[in-house]
Amino acid sequence: NAGVTQTPKFRVLKTGQSMTLLCAQDMNHEYMYWYRQDPGMGLRLIHYSVGEGTTAKGEVPDGYNVSRLKKQNFLLGLESAAPSQTSVYFCASSYGSLRGGGYNEQFFGPGTRLTVL
Amino acid sequence: GENVEQHPSTLSVQEGDSAVIKCTYSDSASNYFPWYKQELGKRPQLIIDIRSNVGEKKDQRIAVTLNKTAKHFSLHITETQPEDSAVYFCAASILTDDMRFGAGTRLTVKP
Repeated sequence: NAGVTQTPKFRVLKTGQSMTLLCAQDMNHEYMYWYRQDPGMGLRLIHYSVGEGTTAKGEVPDGYNVSRLKKQNFLLGLESAAPSQTSVYFCASSYGSLRGGGYNEQFFGPGTRLTVL
Repeated sequence: GENVEQHPSTLSVQEGDSAVIKCTYSDSASNYFPWYKQELGKRPQLIIDIRSNVGEKKDQRIAVTLNKTAKHFSLHITETQPEDSAVYFCAASILTDDMRFGAGTRLTVKP
């Protein structure tokens, strides 16, 4: 199993350009998440999905959109990139909900380093 | 929403000593508290977690304690080794899937 993979690994954008980050998982997980990580800060949740066809806002959703058309994929879109979106983006997935009593460890992808000039 | 504070931001210990990292959270409804280890340039990896119905959990050299009354939880690493050097993050979540992370602690274990 590849686990959680992210495409691309690195990207440089100019202000105003758009792009889509792809996250894929082969663990049949229901839940998927997008985080951003900035220097000196922990991970901040952008959007998440509790199942195919669903999305929800996290802590810092502005400037991003997401889609979960297939269970195994979670896409993060930047419609008009800004320098403030320069960050490392991590995708994660988990089998179940954090609300549940069952095992629900979040597995992270390797990250995408995005620079917006 | 939930707010998680983590201290210290950096911690340096001698190999073999213990290390303790503390986090406080604001929302008394939080019920899940994981700890992640992130090595330089790598992805975060879960090392231990605890739920609000448990006061302490141990896994070999790593333990986590939770004080619900005071709303804080701590990571304890005993007999530290150089390979324990990394950034450690705590996190807390309430009854949603919106997990909030602390800012991280950079642990350096000196040989």
